[in-house]
Amino acid sequence: DAKTTQPNSMESNEEEPVHLPCNHSTISGTDYIHWYRQLPSQGPEYVIHGLTSNVNNRMASLAIAEDRKSSTLILHRATLRDAAVYYCIPHNAGGTSYGKLTFGQGTILTVHP
Amino acid sequence: GAVVSQHPSRVICKSGTSVKIECRSLDFQATTMFWYRQFPKKSLMLMATSNEGSKATYEQGVEKDKFLINHASLTLSTLTVTSAHPEDSSFYICSARRASNQPQHFGDGTRLSIL
Repeated sequence: DAKTTQPNSMESNEEEPVHLPCNHSTISGTDYIHWYRQLPSQGPEYVIHGLTSNVNNRMASLAIAEDRKSSTLILHRATLRDAAVYYCIPHNAGGTSYGKLTFGQGTILTVHP
Repeated sequence: GAVVSQHPSRVICKSGTSVKIECRSLDFQATTMFWYRQFPKKSLMLMATSNEGSKATYEQGVEKDKFLINHASLTLSTLTVTSAHPEDSSFYICSARRASNQPQHFGDGTRLSIL
C-alpha cells in the first residue's frame, strides 16, 4: 500500500476556504486517490476521488499534482459541520488487495465560528 | 445517495456473550462488504473483507473463529463477536460498495461495550 503523509491537525474559520494537503509519493500508476471524512462517533463518509485530473463535486474539490505524488482536498467554504477527521487514501480497485482501504491517522480539521 | 444501515448502534453486555451486528445496504446491491474496528483516538483498522456467497478474507491477526462473518445476500452482512470479552470492546464499522472501482459507503458504527 502507498504511504500517505497528512498534517495531524488544521484549523479554519467558518466560511473560509480550507486546503487539506496529502503526500503520497509512493502511489502507483493505477491507484485512485480517495478522500473520506469521519465526524465524531460516526462511520466515515466518502468525499471525493480522482486519478489524474482535478475533480469537483458538491462537497469539495480535489486538486491532484501533475506527478501524482500529492493532492489537496479543497473545501470552498468551511462550515461547522465540516469539522471532522479527513483521510487521504490511495486506492487500487483490483489486484490482491480487493480494493480495500487502508486508513492512516488523517487530519483533524477544527472549524471556528 | 448510497445508504448503509448498521444495527444495533450500541450494545452493552456481559463477558462471554456473543453479539451479532448487522450491516445492510439499503438502496444498492453490494458485491463486497468490509468490517472495521476502531479504538478510541485511533484510526480504522480493517478486520475482514466479505464477498457475497463466499468466505470472508480476514486481515492478519484477526481471529476468524472469534469474529464470524456471514454475507448471505447482496444487501446483508453480519458480524458475530463470539464469547466477547472486555478487550473486544470497540467501535465496529461496516462498509459496502457496488463494485471494486466504486467508493465505499459506511454505516454509522456499533459501539460494543463488554462488562
